[in-house]
Amino acid sequence: NAGVTQTPKFQVLKTGQSMTLQCAQDMNHEYMSWYRQDPGMGLRLIHYSVGAGITDQGEVPNGYNVSRSTTEDFPLRLLSAAPSQTSVYFCASISTSGGARAQFFGPGTRLTVL
Amino acid sequence: GDSVTQMEGPVTLSEEAFLTINCTYTATGYPSLFWYVQYPGEGLQLLLKATKADDKGSNKGFEATYRKETTSFHLEKGSVQVSDSAVYFCALSAISSGSARQLTFGSGTQLTVLP
Repeated sequence: NAGVTQTPKFQVLKTGQSMTLQCAQDMNHEYMSWYRQDPGMGLRLIHYSVGAGITDQGEVPNGYNVSRSTTEDFPLRLLSAAPSQTSVYFCASISTSGGARAQFFGPGTRLTVL
Repeated sequence: GDSVTQMEGPVTLSEEAFLTINCTYTATGYPSLFWYVQYPGEGLQLLLKATKADDKGSNKGFEATYRKETTSFHLEKGSVQVSDSAVYFCALSAISSGSARQLTFGSGTQLTVLP
């Protein structure tokens, strides 16, 4: 049981390049999310999914696309990278056991856009 | 909208000192409350949680009590260790957050424990 996995761990892009951040979970959770973490701002929600085929926008969705073709995978796409997207990105998978909505986080992807 | 306000950091303590990290929240309805911990270079890990008023979450010597009257969820530990050095995030999950499954985070508090 690997939990939530993310690849790559580090990435450097040039402005205008595109890339996909991968996220996978093996806990059969329906709910998954993408956050970005910036200094002094905590984590901000980019996009989330409540199940395969269903996605929605979070607090800061501009510049990012997502899709959810399977329960396990929830990739995040940057279509045209900008320096403002330099951040650490975390994927999370959400459990509803125990009556509380605890989230399990991946190890993160540190992205630098030059 | 929902929001979480955390005690400003960084916090530096000596080993075996008492720790309090303040957290207050604003939310409509009855949110669930969480504390997450992030060790250097790692993702966030759930530390403890509480789902209703007066609940006390506890784990690894850390405790926090859900206080609805003061809208607070302060994190405490009686005797910190060097290994507790990390960033601590308070968070809430509420129906009003667009989706009941999403979290609103505080800005985080960096804790450093010196030997």
